[in-house]
Amino acid sequence: DAGITQSPRHKVTETGTPVTLRCHQTENHRYMYWYRQDPGHGLRLIHYSYGVKDTDKGEVSDGYSVSRSKTEDFLLTLESATSSQTSVYFCAIRESQGRTEAFFGQGTRLTVV
Amino acid sequence: QKEVEQDPGPLSVPEGAIVSLNCTYSNSAFQYFMWYRQYSRKGPELLMYTYSSGNKEDGRFTAQVDKSSKYISLFIRDSQPSDSATYLCAMYNTNAGKSTFGDGTTLTVKP
Repeated sequence: DAGITQSPRHKVTETGTPVTLRCHQTENHRYMYWYRQDPGHGLRLIHYSYGVKDTDKGEVSDGYSVSRSKTEDFLLTLESATSSQTSVYFCAIRESQGRTEAFFGQGTRLTVV
Repeated sequence: QKEVEQDPGPLSVPEGAIVSLNCTYSNSAFQYFMWYRQYSRKGPELLMYTYSSGNKEDGRFTAQVDKSSKYISLFIRDSQPSDSATYLCAMYNTNAGKSTFGDGTTLTVKP
């Protein structure tokens, strides 16, 4: 959707293993975001980026790290996956001149067992 | 207390009904107000956004913002079964460069 691709779309992993989720955009937008969505909590911001190598923490950043070495790619890493990180993860991009996170990816459904 | 509170639902209405979805917020720094629609197992899609108090209309959808009361609404006229989805309100803080989302209201429109 709108030039955003998340991979993988589904993943099952074991507790304690590292996991990396990828968000790829073709729109060359400056701002990218990672959210998690859980029942009863809506969308919560994990990390965001406002340019290559420029990132900042969101409200639920513990246990997660990000990297952005190219404009088009924003990676989210779970350093040591826990069951509490079972969730649906969404990447979003914001048009550089806009004011809203206009486009979301299709999501990655992650299960930590 | 959450910065953004959304009427929890779920809502179930007959086709053709007028639907009202509502959110309140507490942070005066929010400057942009958005509504997203999310179909099951899909990413949210932006429906409408507005900056100022008042109404903004787009087809069957009307977004209403009352900054003095810190209250926003989305009205759907002549609701259709295809409107069945979860609706998320979101507030954007330009200074912080990020949005805060409500928890969503799930709407079902019955034929």
